[in-house]
Amino acid sequence: DVKVTQSSRYLVKRTGEKVFLECVQDMDHENMFWYRQDPGLGLRLIYFSYDVKMKEKGDIPEGYSVSREKKERFSLILESASTNQTSMYLCASSPDPAGYGYTFGSGTRLTVV
Amino acid sequence: GIQVEQSPPDLILQEGANSTLRCNFSDSVNNLQWFHQNPWGQLINLFYIPSGTKQNGRLSATTVATERYSLLYISSSQTTDSGVYFCAVVTYNNNDMRFGAGTRLTVKP
Repeated sequence: DVKVTQSSRYLVKRTGEKVFLECVQDMDHENMFWYRQDPGLGLRLIYFSYDVKMKEKGDIPEGYSVSREKKERFSLILESASTNQTSMYLCASSPDPAGYGYTFGSGTRLTVV
Repeated sequence: GIQVEQSPPDLILQEGANSTLRCNFSDSVNNLQWFHQNPWGQLINLFYIPSGTKQNGRLSATTVATERYSLLYISSSQTTDSGVYFCAVVTYNNNDMRFGAGTRLTVKP
């Protein structure tokens, strides 16, 4: 089975902290994605990556950055966490940019206090 | 960018009832998928269906690409069907997946 692993299930951070959310996939997928999920808004794309060291902005990149130094790992960085970044964060990977084989991690629920 | 609208936002059923969930999208799509998010937050792909009709057990889906909508049918619903159902699309211009806001389904015993 393809596995997408997110390092933390629950995370509580203080306003202003630098926060790292880690995502690792084990099936050699080129494409990786970060979404945030909020009630009534569905999943919104933050950043995605088609290859190592490559990144593209999604719909809501403000306040976030990403890093992809290795093919299997895609990190989401909150440079200075704010309370409006309290959300569920979901990572996904896919071998096909058109979406076939899309696999999600189980999510990280981040609370910023 | 493409708009993806799902209806209804919430649906409550008794076990055994049938339901239809709808997804409208505003542009031509290369791919359309339906996902189920279980109460523990895990998202599972149900169908890849950019056009046509597919069936998998009690679930089936139809996409009419020319009219830009897709329907997910759930028959003889069970409590384990509860969760949020998402429609997601990939357009020809952008190789990333965009989601609707979801339909929250609650099936009562």
